[in-house]
Amino acid sequence: DSGVTQTPKHLITATGQRVTLRCSPRSGDLSVYWYQQSLDQGLQFLIQYYNGEERAKGNILERFSAQQFPDLHSELNLSSLELGDSALYFCASSAGQTSYEQYFGPGTRLTVT
Amino acid sequence: ILNVEQSPQSLHVQEGDSTNFTCSFPSSNFYALHWYRWETAKSPEALFVMTLNGDEKKKGRISATLNTKEGYSYLYIKGSQPEDSATYLCAFILTGGGNKLTFGTGTQLKVEL
Repeated sequence: DSGVTQTPKHLITATGQRVTLRCSPRSGDLSVYWYQQSLDQGLQFLIQYYNGEERAKGNILERFSAQQFPDLHSELNLSSLELGDSALYFCASSAGQTSYEQYFGPGTRLTVT
Repeated sequence: ILNVEQSPQSLHVQEGDSTNFTCSFPSSNFYALHWYRWETAKSPEALFVMTLNGDEKKKGRISATLNTKEGYSYLYIKGSQPEDSATYLCAFILTGGGNKLTFGTGTQLKVEL
Protein backbone atom coordinates (compact mmCIF):
# COMPACT_ATOMS: atom_id res chain seq x y z
CA ASP A 1 0.00 0.00 0.00
CA SER A 2 1.62 3.23 -1.23
CA GLY A 3 -0.54 5.53 0.91
CA VAL A 4 -2.07 7.16 -2.18
CA THR A 5 -5.81 6.63 -2.51
CA GLN A 6 -7.95 6.96 -5.60
CA THR A 7 -11.69 6.84 -6.03
CA PRO A 8 -13.61 5.38 -7.63
CA LYS A 9 -11.86 2.13 -8.46
CA HIS A 10 -14.02 1.51 -11.53
CA LEU A 11 -16.20 3.82 -13.56
CA ILE A 12 -18.43 2.97 -16.49
CA THR A 13 -20.06 5.81 -18.36
CA ALA A 14 -21.39 6.74 -21.78
CA THR A 15 -19.86 8.84 -24.53
CA GLY A 16 -20.42 12.55 -24.10
CA GLN A 17 -20.59 12.37 -20.33
CA ARG A 18 -18.34 14.02 -17.73
CA VAL A 19 -16.63 12.29 -14.83
CA THR A 20 -14.42 13.30 -11.91
CA LEU A 21 -11.61 11.15 -10.58
CA ARG A 22 -10.31 11.84 -7.12
CA CYS A 23 -6.88 11.36 -5.58
CA SER A 24 -5.54 11.80 -2.06
CA PRO A 25 -1.74 11.92 -1.84
CA ARG A 26 0.42 10.33 0.83
CA SER A 27 0.50 12.25 4.05
CA GLY A 28 3.00 15.09 3.73
CA ASP A 29 3.42 14.87 -0.05
CA LEU A 30 2.91 18.17 -1.84
CA SER A 31 3.11 17.03 -5.47
CA VAL A 32 0.36 15.16 -7.28
CA TYR A 33 0.65 13.69 -10.78
CA TRP A 34 -1.89 12.19 -13.13
CA TYR A 35 -1.09 9.49 -15.68
CA GLN A 36 -3.12 7.68 -18.30
CA GLN A 37 -2.49 4.13 -19.40
CA SER A 38 -4.38 3.04 -22.49
CA LEU A 39 -4.37 -0.49 -23.90
CA ASP A 40 -2.04 0.31 -26.74
CA GLN A 41 0.24 2.76 -24.94
CA GLY A 42 2.51 2.93 -21.94
CA LEU A 43 2.06 5.29 -19.03
CA GLN A 44 1.47 8.81 -20.33
CA PHE A 45 2.03 11.81 -18.11
CA LEU A 46 -0.93 14.18 -18.03
CA ILE A 47 -0.27 16.89 -15.44
CA GLN A 48 1.53 17.73 -12.19
CA TYR A 49 0.46 19.98 -9.32
CA TYR A 50 2.67 21.14 -6.50
CA ASN A 51 1.10 22.67 -3.41
CA GLY A 52 -1.95 23.77 -5.34
CA GLU A 53 -0.22 25.13 -8.44
CA GLU A 54 0.19 23.54 -11.84
CA ARG A 55 3.87 22.65 -12.37
CA ALA A 56 4.14 20.57 -15.52
CA LYS A 57 1.82 19.58 -18.30
CA GLY A 58 1.97 16.64 -20.66
CA ASN A 59 -0.26 15.70 -23.56
CA ILE A 60 -3.45 16.43 -21.68
CA LEU A 61 -6.49 16.97 -23.87
CA GLU A 62 -8.39 20.25 -23.64
CA ARG A 63 -11.45 18.23 -22.58
CA PHE A 64 -9.52 17.21 -19.46
CA SER A 65 -8.74 19.46 -16.53
CA ALA A 66 -7.36 19.01 -13.06
CA GLN A 67 -6.89 20.90 -9.85
CA GLN A 68 -5.28 20.47 -6.47
CA PHE A 69 -7.18 21.73 -3.46
CA PRO A 70 -5.85 23.38 -0.25
CA ASP A 71 -6.01 20.02 1.55
CA LEU A 72 -3.75 18.72 -1.29
CA HIS A 73 -6.21 16.23 -2.73
CA SER A 74 -6.59 16.44 -6.47
CA GLU A 75 -9.36 15.88 -8.98
CA LEU A 76 -9.12 15.05 -12.66
CA ASN A 77 -12.15 16.08 -14.66
CA LEU A 78 -12.81 14.40 -17.98
CA SER A 79 -15.58 15.82 -20.15
CA SER A 80 -17.24 15.06 -23.50
CA LEU A 81 -15.97 11.54 -23.08
CA GLU A 82 -15.06 9.48 -26.12
CA LEU A 83 -14.53 5.74 -26.49
CA GLY A 84 -10.79 6.37 -26.74
CA ASP A 85 -10.72 7.84 -23.26
CA SER A 86 -11.22 4.38 -21.82
CA ALA A 87 -8.06 3.74 -19.84
CA LEU A 88 -6.52 3.23 -16.44
CA TYR A 89 -5.88 6.58 -14.75
CA PHE A 90 -3.21 6.66 -12.09
CA CYS A 91 -2.50 9.32 -9.57
CA ALA A 92 0.93 9.53 -7.94
CA SER A 93 2.42 11.75 -5.27
CA SER A 94 5.87 12.81 -4.16
CA ALA A 95 7.33 14.91 -1.41
CA GLY A 96 8.89 17.59 -3.57
CA GLN A 97 8.78 19.00 -7.06
CA THR A 98 11.58 17.10 -8.76
CA SER A 99 13.75 14.00 -8.48
CA TYR A 100 11.76 12.39 -5.69
CA GLU A 101 10.25 8.93 -5.99
CA GLN A 102 6.65 8.99 -7.05
CA TYR A 103 4.19 6.78 -5.17
CA PHE A 104 1.35 5.49 -7.28
CA GLY A 105 -2.24 4.93 -6.24
CA PRO A 106 -4.22 1.85 -7.26
CA GLY A 107 -5.72 3.58 -10.30
CA THR A 108 -9.23 4.22 -11.61
CA ARG A 109 -10.38 2.05 -14.48
CA LEU A 110 -12.58 4.17 -16.77
CA THR A 111 -14.72 2.46 -19.38
CA VAL A 112 -16.59 4.64 -21.86
CA THR A 113 -19.36 2.83 -23.75
CA ILE B 1 9.96 13.70 -29.74
CA LEU B 2 12.08 12.53 -26.84
CA ASN B 3 11.66 8.86 -26.08
CA VAL B 4 13.05 6.28 -23.75
CA GLU B 5 13.76 2.81 -25.08
CA GLN B 6 13.92 -0.34 -23.02
CA SER B 7 15.32 -3.68 -24.00
CA PRO B 8 14.58 -6.46 -24.14
CA GLN B 9 10.78 -6.16 -24.38
CA SER B 10 10.38 -9.43 -22.50
CA LEU B 11 12.56 -11.97 -20.80
CA HIS B 12 12.04 -15.48 -19.47
CA VAL B 13 14.65 -16.75 -17.01
CA GLN B 14 14.98 -19.63 -14.61
CA GLU B 15 14.93 -19.23 -10.86
CA GLY B 16 18.44 -18.39 -9.68
CA ASP B 17 19.55 -16.78 -12.94
CA SER B 18 20.92 -13.26 -12.88
CA THR B 19 19.63 -10.87 -15.47
CA ASN B 20 19.86 -7.28 -16.63
CA PHE B 21 17.83 -4.82 -18.66
CA THR B 22 18.76 -1.66 -20.51
CA CYS B 23 17.11 1.75 -20.55
CA SER B 24 18.25 4.31 -23.17
CA PHE B 25 17.24 7.94 -22.82
CA PRO B 26 18.18 11.35 -24.27
CA SER B 27 21.46 12.53 -22.74
CA SER B 28 20.83 16.23 -23.41
CA ASN B 29 19.22 18.23 -20.61
CA PHE B 30 19.07 15.15 -18.41
CA TYR B 31 17.79 15.63 -14.88
CA ALA B 32 16.82 12.29 -13.37
CA LEU B 33 16.15 8.65 -14.19
CA HIS B 34 13.57 6.55 -12.33
CA TRP B 35 13.10 2.79 -12.22
CA TYR B 36 9.74 1.26 -11.29
CA ARG B 37 8.52 -2.29 -10.77
CA TRP B 38 4.97 -2.99 -11.95
CA GLU B 39 3.27 -6.25 -11.05
CA THR B 40 0.11 -7.30 -12.84
CA ALA B 41 -3.08 -5.87 -11.30
CA LYS B 42 -1.06 -3.61 -9.01
CA SER B 43 0.33 -0.09 -9.33
CA PRO B 44 3.92 0.85 -10.21
CA GLU B 45 6.32 0.72 -7.26
CA ALA B 46 9.37 2.97 -7.10
CA LEU B 47 12.73 1.20 -7.09
CA PHE B 48 15.36 3.88 -7.67
CA VAL B 49 15.79 7.54 -8.52
CA MET B 50 19.20 8.43 -9.95
CA THR B 51 20.53 11.81 -10.95
CA LEU B 52 24.34 11.73 -11.08
CA ASN B 53 26.53 10.22 -13.77
CA GLY B 54 28.09 7.04 -12.39
CA ASP B 55 25.37 6.60 -9.75
CA GLU B 56 24.91 3.06 -8.53
CA LYS B 57 21.99 2.10 -6.32
CA LYS B 58 21.08 -1.19 -4.68
CA LYS B 59 17.99 -2.59 -2.99
CA GLY B 60 18.37 -6.21 -1.94
CA ARG B 61 19.11 -8.29 -5.03
CA ILE B 62 18.29 -5.46 -7.41
CA SER B 63 20.80 -2.80 -8.43
CA ALA B 64 21.02 -0.08 -11.07
CA THR B 65 23.70 2.02 -12.73
CA LEU B 66 23.51 5.30 -14.60
CA ASN B 67 25.54 6.79 -17.46
CA THR B 68 24.19 10.23 -18.25
CA LYS B 69 26.88 11.09 -20.81
CA GLU B 70 25.88 8.27 -23.14
CA GLY B 71 22.25 8.11 -22.02
CA TYR B 72 21.73 4.66 -20.59
CA SER B 73 20.94 2.86 -17.35
CA TYR B 74 21.17 -0.81 -16.48
CA LEU B 75 18.99 -2.67 -13.99
CA TYR B 76 20.42 -5.91 -12.59
CA ILE B 77 18.64 -8.65 -10.71
CA LYS B 78 20.87 -11.20 -8.99
CA GLY B 79 19.51 -14.70 -8.35
CA SER B 80 16.04 -14.10 -9.82
CA GLN B 81 13.07 -15.41 -7.87
CA PRO B 82 9.49 -16.04 -9.09
CA GLU B 83 8.34 -13.01 -7.05
CA ASP B 84 10.59 -10.83 -9.24
CA SER B 85 8.22 -11.49 -12.15
CA ALA B 86 6.91 -8.07 -13.15
CA THR B 87 7.31 -5.33 -15.73
CA TYR B 88 10.27 -3.05 -15.03
CA LEU B 89 9.78 0.51 -16.23
CA CYS B 90 12.29 3.29 -16.55
CA ALA B 91 11.40 6.95 -16.94
CA PHE B 92 13.44 10.11 -17.38
CA ILE B 93 13.02 13.74 -16.43
CA LEU B 94 14.59 16.61 -18.34
CA THR B 95 15.78 19.85 -16.78
CA GLY B 96 13.12 22.53 -16.78
CA GLY B 97 10.37 19.96 -17.18
CA GLY B 98 9.01 20.06 -13.66
CA ASN B 99 8.75 16.45 -12.58
CA LYS B 100 7.32 15.20 -15.87
CA LEU B 101 8.25 11.54 -16.20
CA THR B 102 8.49 10.08 -19.70
CA PHE B 103 8.12 6.32 -19.38
CA GLY B 104 9.44 3.53 -21.53
CA THR B 105 7.19 0.61 -22.39
CA GLY B 106 9.05 -1.62 -19.96
CA THR B 107 10.76 -4.99 -19.85
CA GLN B 108 8.45 -7.83 -18.87
CA LEU B 109 10.30 -10.37 -16.75
CA LYS B 110 9.00 -13.86 -16.09
CA VAL B 111 10.97 -16.01 -13.64
CA GLU B 112 10.16 -19.70 -13.86
CA LEU B 113 10.80 -22.45 -11.33
